[in-house]
Amino acid sequence: EVQLVESGGGLVQPGGSLRLSCAASGFTFTTYWMSWVRQAPGKGLEWVAHIKQDGSEKNYADSVKGRFTISRDNAKNSLFLQMSSLRGEDTAFYYCVRAARNFDLWGQGTLVTVSS
Amino acid sequence: DIQMTQSPSSLSASVGDRVTITCRASQGIRSDLGWHQQKPGKAPKRLIYAASRLQSGVPSRFSGSGSGTEFTLTISSLQPEDFATYYCLQNNSNPPTFGQGTKVEIK
Repeated sequence: EVQLVESGGGLVQPGGSLRLSCAASGFTFTTYWMSWVRQAPGKGLEWVAHIKQDGSEKNYADSVKGRFTISRDNAKNSLFLQMSSLRGEDTAFYYCVRAARNFDLWGQGTLVTVSS
Repeated sequence: DIQMTQSPSSLSASVGDRVTITCRASQGIRSDLGWHQQKPGKAPKRLIYAASRLQSGVPSRFSGSGSGTEFTLTISSLQPEDFATYYCLQNNSNPPTFGQGTKVEIK
C-alpha cells in the first residue's frame, strides 16, 4: 500500500526540541521531493519545508528558518524534521507530504504541542 | 511569496446544489495549482492537480478550471460526503502557498 506514516509528535516545553519521522512505503521514495506541512488547531495549512530527492536542496518557510531542519534517509525510506527552539505558535498537526504535482500524497499527521 | 486568495471562506449549500470555489493568485502560476479536500479530524486529500486534472478515484462531479491567476473548483451536484474544507495550493514557485480554505457546510 502506498502510504506515509508520521511519528514523533508529543508535548514539549517552549525552547525544547523534537524530531519527527515519516516512514514511506509502497512507492519509490528516492524519486520524489518530500515536504512537511503543518496545521495549527482550527487553522489553515502552512507549508514548512521541502527536500530534493537526493537531499541536495532544501527550502524552509521563514517562520521556521534557522530552527527546523529537514532531512531524509533514502536507504530507510524515511523523512525527518528536527525542530528546535520550539515556540507556542509551532503547536500544530505536522503532515508528511509527497510533493509530486501539487502534493499528491499525505500522511495522517502527528500532533506537536508546545506548552509549559 | 505568491499569495493565494480563496473565496468564499465559507458557504452553506444543500445536497444537489452546484458549488463553485475560486482561488486567485497574486501573480501568474500557469496551471501549477491543486485542490485539496479536508474532512474534520482527517488529513487533506488531493482532488485536482495541474488546475484541471482529476485525481484517480475522485468522483467526476468535481472539476477544476483556470490558468494564470484565476482558478475554480466546481462540485456539480453536492453530495453529503462533500461537506468539508477545501484548499487551493500553488507550487509554481517557492514557497508553496495555500489558500485560506473554504468550509462547505450543510444548509
